[in-house]
Amino acid sequence: QKEVEQDPGPLSVPEGAIVSLNCTYSNSAFQYFMWYRQYSRKGPELLMYTYSSGNKEDGRFTAQVDKSSKYISLFIRDSQPSDSATYLCAMSSNSGGSNYKLTFGKGTLLTVNP
Amino acid sequence: KAGVTQTPRYLIKTRGQQVTLSCSPISGHRSVSWYQQTPGQGLQFLFEYFSETQRNKGNFPGRFSGRQFSNSRSEMNVSTLELGDSALYLCASRKGQGTNTIYFGEGSWLTVV
Repeated sequence: QKEVEQDPGPLSVPEGAIVSLNCTYSNSAFQYFMWYRQYSRKGPELLMYTYSSGNKEDGRFTAQVDKSSKYISLFIRDSQPSDSATYLCAMSSNSGGSNYKLTFGKGTLLTVNP
Repeated sequence: KAGVTQTPRYLIKTRGQQVTLSCSPISGHRSVSWYQQTPGQGLQFLFEYFSETQRNKGNFPGRFSGRQFSNSRSEMNVSTLELGDSALYLCASRKGQGTNTIYFGEGSWLTVV
């Protein structure tokens, strides 16, 4: 079983829709959770960062972490064509000391149609 | 403030050759890590350098190596290239130990033929 599972999609939605992206993980040591957005032929861009369980909101984006279920989600409200990209979840058990690395999901390809 | 800069952006190499990729981190960032991204395996951690020392290493063969210079710039080298090494190689920087948000460059696209 891979440490982080993410449905690759592709996911296609109409403009204005609410998008839900999810990842599950198996390593209970993960405490730090991130979402990255990657446009075609570009590097990943950090979107959201959360620590432990709970919700975090930033504009149209909401990140949720449920550590009891080992499940994280990213919600995009009022989706726009400019949101079309691959969304990657990433997580770490380390607060940033030595031996630090991120474990990524494979990414979900999202297309928002005008 | 300039972001993470990687060179070259695109390159084509022949099987058996070696390649060196370069990364300049965000100014003030002392840690550089490298990731390989392929359609099949996704993003996989290669190694991280801090203060010119390798601090962590992923599960890649010894053909993959790196180093960091005193100005925090980093290079990674892949020797005896194989077709399966074709990938996007991403460099990321973070401020240092104690910070856990990393920022990626645009990547170097390597094609091995």
